[in-house]
Amino acid sequence: QVQLVQSGAEVKKPGSSVKVSCMTSGGTFSPYAISWVRQAPGQGLEWMGGIMAIFRTTKYAQKFQGRLTITADESTNTAYMELSSLRSEDTAVYYCARAPTYYSESYFDYWGQGTLVTVSS
Amino acid sequence: DIQMTQSPSSLSASVGDRVTITCRASQGISTDLAWYQQKPGKVPKLLIYAASTLQSGVPSRFSGSGSGTDFTLTFSSLQPEDVATYYCQKYNGVPLFGGGTKVEIK
Repeated sequence: QVQLVQSGAEVKKPGSSVKVSCMTSGGTFSPYAISWVRQAPGQGLEWMGGIMAIFRTTKYAQKFQGRLTITADESTNTAYMELSSLRSEDTAVYYCARAPTYYSESYFDYWGQGTLVTVSS
Repeated sequence: DIQMTQSPSSLSASVGDRVTITCRASQGISTDLAWYQQKPGKVPKLLIYAASTLQSGVPSRFSGSGSGTDFTLTFSSLQPEDVATYYCQKYNGVPLFGGGTKVEIK
């Protein structure tokens, strides 16, 4: 059974960065793409970007260009999402989600449990 | 940019009712559309992909239809465990979710 296990909750100051990990178990990491989706409190789902690990290529939503870095370590079956220049509006639950293909531009069949990132001074 | 609009934003129906949620894309997206269920405090769960293909393990009371710009998610008989928010998502190009439809039991 495929599982995506994310790192724990974070509290960050405005202007700082956060790095969240997502480890895949019970299945192969490659060739599937991993995306990051966030959900602000009481709000809907927002796709941030994704990585095609097999090709080591990334795609980001325009909104996050320049602030978001997604990486993957195939040796540990782990994907990472780093968001910089944090502001209060970045307070959200961040999910990693696996696509059933190597394209980031896909639907998502497995999801991590979510990581709450709180940005507060 | 393509916009995804769901309607209604919320609904209340009785157990056993047939319920339909609509998702409209501002441009044609073929059948590159998925539906998710998110129960309160839980992780989104894939219900349907390719507009009408039921994900493995999803009850058959859920069905999806549509292509191009207009899509529907139908519950043939609403059950208490279906209380959740439902999202459509297009994956023709950059993934984008609809605003969600909150389903409650009357």
